[in-house]
Order: sequence, then C-alpha cells, then structure tokens
Amino acid sequence: KAGVTQTPRYLIKTRGQQVTLSCSPISGHRSVSWYQQTPGQGLQFLFEYFSETQRNKGNFPGRFSGRQFSNSRSEMNVSTLELGDSALYLCASSLAPGRAEQYFGPGTRLTVT
Amino acid sequence: LAKTTQPISMDSYEGQEVNITCSHNNIATNDYITWYQQFPSQGPRFIIQGYKTKVTNEVASLFIPADRKSSTLSLPRVSLSDTAVYYCLVGDSAGRRALTFGSGTRLQVQP
Repeated sequence: KAGVTQTPRYLIKTRGQQVTLSCSPISGHRSVSWYQQTPGQGLQFLFEYFSETQRNKGNFPGRFSGRQFSNSRSEMNVSTLELGDSALYLCASSLAPGRAEQYFGPGTRLTVT
Repeated sequence: LAKTTQPISMDSYEGQEVNITCSHNNIATNDYITWYQQFPSQGPRFIIQGYKTKVTNEVASLFIPADRKSSTLSLPRVSLSDTAVYYCLVGDSAGRRALTFGSGTRLQVQP
C-alpha cells in the first residue's frame, strides 16, 4: 500500500507570494492533518480534516488555510508569505479523526526569501 | 490538556537498552499515550500506543504505571539507526483534540 505523498517536496517562494501544498493520504484513510515543523517551534499542529470538513484548527493566523476533497486528498494554502513561514510542512493521514496512529508523509520543505 | 515532559536528550551505546520516561501528570481518564520516532528531514513514525500497564510490539515496549502519570518507552538493544528524536504524546481517545507534539527526546546512539 502506498504511503502518504506530498507535493512538491521542495519549494522556494518570495515574501508576499502565496503557496499551495498538496497531500494524498494512504488509500482508505479519510482523516488528514497538517503540521508545521521549524527548529525553533518544533512540530505544531495546523489543522485536521475529515470528510471534507475541518475538525480541529491550531493556533495559526488566517493566512493558513486548507481544504479536503471528496477523495480525501488535501491541500493547504499559505497567503502573503513571511520569512517565518519557512518550515517543513508535514501531512499525516489516519483512518479516522483523533486516531493516535497517524502516518506522516515526507513533507514539503518551504523556503521563503 | 495534559502536558508532557521528557528529557531533552539521551546518549547510549549500541546493544544497550534505552528507557525514555515521559511525565504527564494531568492525564485524563480517556487519554492514551503514544510515542513517535522522527529522523532528520522525515515525518514522524508511529512507534507504540498504550492506555495502561504494558504494551509490546516488534519495535519497543511501553510501560505505564497504575496512576498513569508517567510512561516509559523501552528500546531493546539499540543500534546506530535508532538515533532519532522520540516524542511522547497524550491523546484524546474521543478524537476531540488534535495530537500535540512536545519537544521530544533526542537519542544519540554511539558505536
């Protein structure tokens, strides 16, 4: 069974631009969560989607948004990029929301210059 | 929300058993304990989950005392490839809260 895939793997953007990251969960998994990881703040929860609905949201500004499609694939969008948005963005999927056993993708490394 | 506390770093040698303890004094009745492993530039990997007593799988064992205010991840006979960051998380079995990762424990295994 294929794992969680994330595209693109690496991205360089300029301040003020926007970016869209994509995540394809493991087949059969309907819950997708997004995390931001930086050396200073560690792994921080962004949001969780299940059946195309956002179930939980972390403490991030409104510039960070996401959505989930009917096939469980998910996208997250960051608008008006700031230097501090440079991070590894991780997507994780699980069978159902709130499950302890989540499967993470390799991440998208975003660099904002 | 149960906060977890674990050592920032630990050192060990190949072949030794490593025990990483996590404190979660405010754990709620419905909460479970989960451990993840993360290698540099990769996503975390689920290791083990438990609610009480002892859980064992092919990778590790998880010991949880009766009061559940702490837990210990035990890695038998570590190798260099076990060098990673290990996260202890307390989760809500009803799925009302998202998983919260703490700072983790950086385990360095020496030859």
